[in-house]
Amino acid sequence: GQNIDQPTEMTATEGAIVQINCTYQTSGFNGLFWYQQHAGEAPTFLSYNVLDGLEEKGRFSSFLSRSKGYSYLLLKELQMKDSASYLCAVYDSNYQLIWGAGTKLIIKP
Amino acid sequence: DAMVIQNPRYQVTQFGKPVTLSCSQTLNHNVMYWYQQKSSQAPKLLFHYYDKDFNNEADTPDNFQSRRPNTSFCFLDIRSPGLGDAAMYLCATSRETGSPYNEQFFGPGTRLTVL
Repeated sequence: GQNIDQPTEMTATEGAIVQINCTYQTSGFNGLFWYQQHAGEAPTFLSYNVLDGLEEKGRFSSFLSRSKGYSYLLLKELQMKDSASYLCAVYDSNYQLIWGAGTKLIIKP
Repeated sequence: DAMVIQNPRYQVTQFGKPVTLSCSQTLNHNVMYWYQQKSSQAPKLLFHYYDKDFNNEADTPDNFQSRRPNTSFCFLDIRSPGLGDAAMYLCATSRETGSPYNEQFFGPGTRLTVL
């Protein structure tokens, strides 16, 4: 079966850095997405990785290692508004989007 | 601004009473998706349209139907809602399928309550 694993919940302090990990086992790979979802709202696109390495976009960076089936989302200079769930999703060989259950990030002052 | 719109944002229905959720898009995307998401769970794809071609997921119950009368609109019909159908229903669009760099754009969702 296809599977995406993320920690269920993480806590971090305002101004700090946090890394949210995602591991995947899918039938093929055609790219990995990170979405942010605030409580009761729709997911919004954060990043897309299809090649190995780090993609940086402002305070957010996303890393991919295809050989390890592994990605992480790095959030710097955390703000209270970053409190949300972060969902990892992978396109498999048929371009079906396989979703993780998300990591709930709690930011404390 | 180009966007995905869902109406209503909150819907309350009674057990067994049919309900229709609507989605519209101004992005002119070919593909429209319907997802069901329950609390703290991953979004679950129910079906998607590529243009007028309907693609049903194998495990989507027959209780769920969909219509796409034109490029801009897509509807989710729940014929006989059960208590287990209470969830957030998300509509999403993408330009294409079967290609990389193909992010999905989501509407704000409709939260369905079944009494």
